[in-house]
Order: sequence, then structure tokens, then C-alpha cells
Amino acid sequence: GNSVTQMEGPVTLSEEAFLTINCTYTATGYPSLFWYVQYPGEGLQLLLKATKADDKGSNKGFEATYRKETTSFHLEKGSVQVSDSAVYFCALRGVSSNTGKLIFGQGTTLQVKP
Amino acid sequence: DAGVTQSPTHLIKTRGQQVTLRCSPKSGHDTVSWYQQALGQGPQFIFQYYEEEERQRGNFPDRFSGHQFPNYSSELNVNALLLGDSALYLCASSLRQTSSYEQYFGPGTRLTVT
Repeated sequence: GNSVTQMEGPVTLSEEAFLTINCTYTATGYPSLFWYVQYPGEGLQLLLKATKADDKGSNKGFEATYRKETTSFHLEKGSVQVSDSAVYFCALRGVSSNTGKLIFGQGTTLQVKP
Repeated sequence: DAGVTQSPTHLIKTRGQQVTLRCSPKSGHDTVSWYQQALGQGPQFIFQYYEEEERQRGNFPDRFSGHQFPNYSSELNVNALLLGDSALYLCASSLRQTSSYEQYFGPGTRLTVT
């Protein structure tokens, strides 16, 4: 079945450091891929998405490229801020899904220190 | 434009009791999905409602049931609560007719079973 695996956290960085959070997936065909962010005490917010191979999703300085050959969708940001501290979830929607059902990874906690 | 709203925010129940959680979708959306997020885990799909019918179900027992009303709002019911049902319950809404199936999440209801 479809699944998503994320690097374990927590990831602790200093402000302005470079961020990478790894995400790999298992799925048939070409699923749609997403990154969601969850700030403390809040629900999930869509951060970015990519729907086909080699697409690059970007938003608020974050980027992720859909790599079919490595089944990966790693999240990157060139310079993190304290306000980026949150839990980040990688997710996929299967190609055969007609309901939009999302399959999530376990989440990676990011802590950014001043 | 109101986003997805959920009530109550927090709830404490005793093992064996029953609970009802409520969700109002984002304005213009007609589909509601429910997810369970255990502490430190990614959300797990419970089921989805469209046109007042359950359209897809995840790997959850029959103790979990739902309903969608003509105004598209939805309820999640859990019977015979177990300690393991303690989690954050997230509601997500989407518009079925759009091919993107993009889901917007509410802030969640934190259920604690004692």
C-alpha cells in the first residue's frame, strides 16, 4: 500500500541556518505530494504541493521537488526563522484516489533557536 | 471567509462513554473528511462524507461513525470509548468537483479518554 516516511526529529537549527527535512514515499504511479505545517495548538496548513514528477512546489521560502526516480519530496529552506518552529508533515494522495484521502508521514518537529 | 471550524476544542470522557464531535466546512465546500492524530504521529484517515453518504473509510472499527447534514456540516461519533481513542481529531473540507481535491483543515478537537 501507499506510505510516507519522514526523517525523525526533532531537528534543531539556529536562525538563518539551511533546512532539509527528508521525505520518501511508496506508491504506484504518480501520486500527488504535499507538505503540511502544524503550529503549536493549531490544525494543519498546506505549505506546498506538487502533482507530477519534476514539479517544484514553493511557498514562504520553502521548496520541495517531486523526484520520481528517488521517490522523494524533501523540504528545504535556505534561511530558517524562529517563527518556522513547528511540526512538518509530508503527505501523498494516491493516483487512484477519487476522494482526496491523504496519507501522512509521522511528522518532523523543527525547533529554530535565535 | 470562514475556514473550517470544529467544536468542542477540548473534551474529556470516561472509558466506555460515547462522544460526538462537530465540524463545519469552509464556505463553498461540500465534502468533509475526518482524521485521527495520535500524540507524536501523523493524521490517519477515518472516513469521508459527500452528499450525506460515507464515500471512503480508513482502517477504523465500526465504533467510529459519522453523519453529514444537508448544509454540509458533519459529525463524528465514537462509541464505547477506549483509552487509545485519546487523540486530536481533525476535520478537513474540500470541494468534490475540483480535480485537486485540496483539503483545508480545522484546528481539531482534543479528546482525552480517562
